[in-house]
Amino acid sequence: NAGVMQNPRHLVRRRGQEARLRCSPMKGHSHVYWYRQLPEEGLKFMVYLQKENIIDESGMPKERFSAEFPKEGPSILRIQQVVRGDSAAYFCASSDGQGNFGNTIYFGEGSWLTVV
Amino acid sequence: DAKTTQPTSMDCAEGRAANLPCNHSTISGNEYVYWYRQIHSQGPQYIIHGLKNNETNEMASLIITEDRKSSTLILPHATLRDTAVYYCIVRVAGGTSYGKLTFGQGTILTVHP
Repeated sequence: NAGVMQNPRHLVRRRGQEARLRCSPMKGHSHVYWYRQLPEEGLKFMVYLQKENIIDESGMPKERFSAEFPKEGPSILRIQQVVRGDSAAYFCASSDGQGNFGNTIYFGEGSWLTVV
Repeated sequence: DAKTTQPTSMDCAEGRAANLPCNHSTISGNEYVYWYRQIHSQGPQYIIHGLKNNETNEMASLIITEDRKSSTLILPHATLRDTAVYYCIVRVAGGTSYGKLTFGQGTILTVHP
């Protein structure tokens, strides 16, 4: 039973380029979440998506960041015109959304973005 | 979400039980207590969760006080591979924000030989 799969694991981008991070949720999971961990800081929630819908994007920066979870294919976190401050680990997580309050959120191994 | 308070760091000898406390005195009746851990450079790993009863799985036990204002995560026989940052999280139940886990600073558990 494959877990949450993220790719690429490591990504280097020059300032001003675009970064695309992909996430395939666990089998049977229809809810996806993105978190960011800046160096020496804790994880911060960014966005919560279901298929074709953004449910909660209260943690997303207002500019340059977007996320999608299409009907087919992985969820994508897109960062346009990257700056050095975007260098961080980006974690995707998923859950099955069933059973009301007790369903568990499982995390992937992360994508490490370095902006040079 | 209710705020949690954890000690910054703890040590444990290999093979002994590690008891990690967490205070969540403002927890609401429909909020769960979740525990995750993060080993360096890896994603957070789910450990266990509970509402009001004590819980046990293959990784750990969770003891929640009767008033639910605090809990303790127990790793019964700690190994060197259990060295990690342990996060106690109170999770809002239902609504559009129920996927928003609030990670604090956690407890750095160091297991030594």
